[in-house]
Amino acid sequence: AQRVTQPEKLLSVFKGAPVELKCNYSYSGSPELFWYVQYSRQRLQLLLRHISRESIKGFTADLNKGETSFHLKKPFAQEEDSAMYYCALLYNNNDMRFGAGTRLTVKP
Amino acid sequence: DAGITQSPRHKVTETGTPVTLRCHQTENHRYMYWYRQDPGHGLRLIHYSYGVKDTDKGEVSDGYSVSRSKTEDFLLTLESATSSQTSVYFCAIRTGAKSNTGELFFGEGSRLTVL
Repeated sequence: AQRVTQPEKLLSVFKGAPVELKCNYSYSGSPELFWYVQYSRQRLQLLLRHISRESIKGFTADLNKGETSFHLKKPFAQEEDSAMYYCALLYNNNDMRFGAGTRLTVKP
Repeated sequence: DAGITQSPRHKVTETGTPVTLRCHQTENHRYMYWYRQDPGHGLRLIHYSYGVKDTDKGEVSDGYSVSRSKTEDFLLTLESATSSQTSVYFCAIRTGAKSNTGELFFGEGSRLTVL
């Protein structure tokens, strides 16, 4: 079955420290992967997608097909990065499945 | 901004009553989705639509039905609400036709409480 796993429900780091939010997926086809973010009292919104190979707000994510992972990384966390982060998998071009989410807290 | 609105934004109802949530878009996107968000479970797909009268089930479709009689509206119905359906419901539209632009744009959510 297609599945997205985010093993950490909560993650807390200090400002300026590196941060990595883990995401693993299971899918037999060619995955389309995304990271979404939900800041307090805001809509869920797209942060980045693997196919674009982009860096948004200092975040990057690399698809590792061997490890079936798509971890989100930022070298220096900021307080405004505190939010709920969701990894998502689009498969069969229709169905978008999300992980359970990781709540990131960046402490001053 | 893709125009998407959900109604009602908040609803309290009793077990056994029917409930309909409405998702309305203004930009003619083909794909629309209904998710529920629960602590510890994240976002789970209930149903989605890929066109007028074209819908399919997601991972938690039991107890829910949907209808899409026109492009702009995607309705989610709980025929007989149960307490386990207390949740925040999010509608989303897909703002790209091709798989590499499969960005979802979300509504603000509808908080449903079933007593």
